Amino acid sequence: EAGVAQSPRYKIIEKRQSVAFWCNPISGHATLYWYQQILGQGPKLLIQFQNNGVVDDSQLPKDRFSAERLKGVDSTLKIQPAKLEDSAVYLCASSSTGPGNEQFFGPGTRLTVL
Amino acid sequence: QQQVKQSPQSLIVQKGGISIINCAYENTAFDYFPWYQQFPGKGPALLIAIRPDVSEKKEGRFTISFNKSAKQFSLHIMDSQPGDSATYFCAASWGAQKLVFGQGTRLTINP
Repeated sequence: EAGVAQSPRYKIIEKRQSVAFWCNPISGHATLYWYQQILGQGPKLLIQFQNNGVVDDSQLPKDRFSAERLKGVDSTLKIQPAKLEDSAVYLCASSSTGPGNEQFFGPGTRLTVL
Repeated sequence: QQQVKQSPQSLIVQKGGISIINCAYENTAFDYFPWYQQFPGKGPALLIAIRPDVSEKKEGRFTISFNKSAKQFSLHIMDSQPGDSATYFCAASWGAQKLVFGQGTRLTINP
């Protein structure tokens, strides 16, 4: 079974520029998550989708971050404009619906904002 | 109340020794406690998980001990091997959905 795919793997941008990340979850997984992992810290949930609806975006900085999951499959996370403190690894995870469902993580996108 | 506190930040263990990582939580609504292993350049991968209705779960060399009254849980790695060198994260969630992660422990196993 193919894992969670993310692209790009690395991105370097100047502050105030915009950037987008793409995620393709495991086939059949209804739930998709975006996490932010700052160096030396644990991942922090930014947004959770169930199919193409948002379940939780309480920790998403909505003035600059946006995410969508069209057709309940792939998802994109956008930052506009980027700040220095957005430098982090952005992880996408997916899980099937049901109790005790394991979250499977992609390799992440490492973003550096200069 | 949403935090999960993890210690130590880093740990060095000799090959064949026991690695122990501890976590504490406050939110009694948490009902799922997984441990994730992360290698450099990779996403976290589930190692082992426990629910609060049991006090211990063992899978191979990995054991979770859970103390519900103290709101603490720990990961024990027996016979630690150099290949176990990685960063370990404890986490907690309710409804097995929204995961709250600890700060991570960088484990180094010396050969």
